[in-house]
Amino acid sequence: DTAVSQTPKYLVTQMGNDKSIKCEQNLGHDTMYWYKQDSKKFLKIMFSYNNKELIINETVPNRFSPKSPDKAHLNLHINSLELGDSAVYFCASSQVGDSNTGELFFGEGSRLTVL
Amino acid sequence: GQNIDQPTEMTATEGAIVQINCTYQTSGFNGLFWYQQHAGEAPTFLSYNVLDGLEEKGRFSSFLSRSKGYSYLLLKELQMKDSASYLCAVRDRGKAAGNKLTFGGGTRVLVKP
Repeated sequence: DTAVSQTPKYLVTQMGNDKSIKCEQNLGHDTMYWYKQDSKKFLKIMFSYNNKELIINETVPNRFSPKSPDKAHLNLHINSLELGDSAVYFCASSQVGDSNTGELFFGEGSRLTVL
Repeated sequence: GQNIDQPTEMTATEGAIVQINCTYQTSGFNGLFWYQQHAGEAPTFLSYNVLDGLEEKGRFSSFLSRSKGYSYLLLKELQMKDSASYLCAVRDRGKAAGNKLTFGGGTRVLVKP
């Protein structure tokens, strides 16, 4: 019963290629996120969607395009991959409201290696 | 924006206590989170503070002082399985900020027998 699941777990690809990562959550949350964790382990927010609406776009290159077909899914498409895109990409979800803390529930991560 | 500092690494002995400090400078504050991340795994939620004081959850406690921009995570009765990175994260205030969490670089804790 995985709460936040993302695929694929591992991606190895050549520079210049295009790739997608998919994410789904079955927690009924209204907000989903993409975070990037680089080799120095810094976890940085990229995008946030609330009920399919883009809320946060953290000055990410426009080669990265998120898509949220419904509030349970948030996919990430990356065009023209560069070496610096190599990282672990984490999907997360949360429910924000007066009666909860809004903590993030993370997926297992997708490790992208660009050669 | 947010600036969050925490030590890079700490070593402690099984059964001991370790305190991980986190200091932050923020343009707005709406809560502080601590997460645990084992190598190769996803971060998992440990604790949340929005008011000053101590929150206790079993072997883990977290403290917040908003006036000092300071928090700590206290791990008691350390076990080998507590070897992990501990991430401090601050949430922005304001509807426009969404539920944006900004993370520190994490503190890697190594528990030795």
